[in-house]
Amino acid sequence: KNEVEQSPQNLTAQEGEFITINCSYSVGISALHWLQQHPGGGIVSLFMLSSGKKKHGRLIATINIQEKHSSLHITASHPRDSAVYICAVSPNYNQGGKLIFGQGTELSVKP
Amino acid sequence: NAGVTQTPKFQVLKTGQSMTLQCAQDMNHEYMSWYRQDPGMGLRLIHYSVGAGITDQGEVPNGYNVSRSTTEDFPLRLLSAAPSQTSVYFCASSSPVGYTFGSGTRLTVV
Repeated sequence: KNEVEQSPQNLTAQEGEFITINCSYSVGISALHWLQQHPGGGIVSLFMLSSGKKKHGRLIATINIQEKHSSLHITASHPRDSAVYICAVSPNYNQGGKLIFGQGTELSVKP
Repeated sequence: NAGVTQTPKFQVLKTGQSMTLQCAQDMNHEYMSWYRQDPGMGLRLIHYSVGAGITDQGEVPNGYNVSRSTTEDFPLRLLSAAPSQTSVYFCASSSPVGYTFGSGTRLTVV
């Protein structure tokens, strides 16, 4: 079983829909990261969370440390949000730049 | 612009050739790391460094060497390229406030 699991693996939405991507992890962590990768593109860090909730524009990330679960929400989705969203964790047992990744969620937003 | 610079962006190698992927950051981050990304496998850690002179192996280190002589630079060396090393490689630097990734190197070994 992977240490970081994401769901769903693929998601198709209509423009304007509210989108949720989930991430569960099984290791102790110091932080959880949400990353975005456009097709053929580089990787951009969206959020780093250790507790609670963060918001940036139409993106909201939440984390529940007790349940070892995080969600990424996109409000009023737009075709430019089409990308792969990757959840990654910084494990407690390694403080030095190591990330464990989920498999990613491929999001397609149709106009 | 501040960030992580990876070179080259594309490279084709013949089996058995060696090469070095360059990675440089100008944010004075202590931590740097190399990942490979393969279809169906996601991102996997190759090697990482917690500071100049200190490196350690990640999940898939075989066939790769690294060194960290300065805070800024973290090159990844392929000693004898194999087709299984065909992949997209990403370098990242990090601090307690987050990660910055390079734009990637698409490597094909024929």
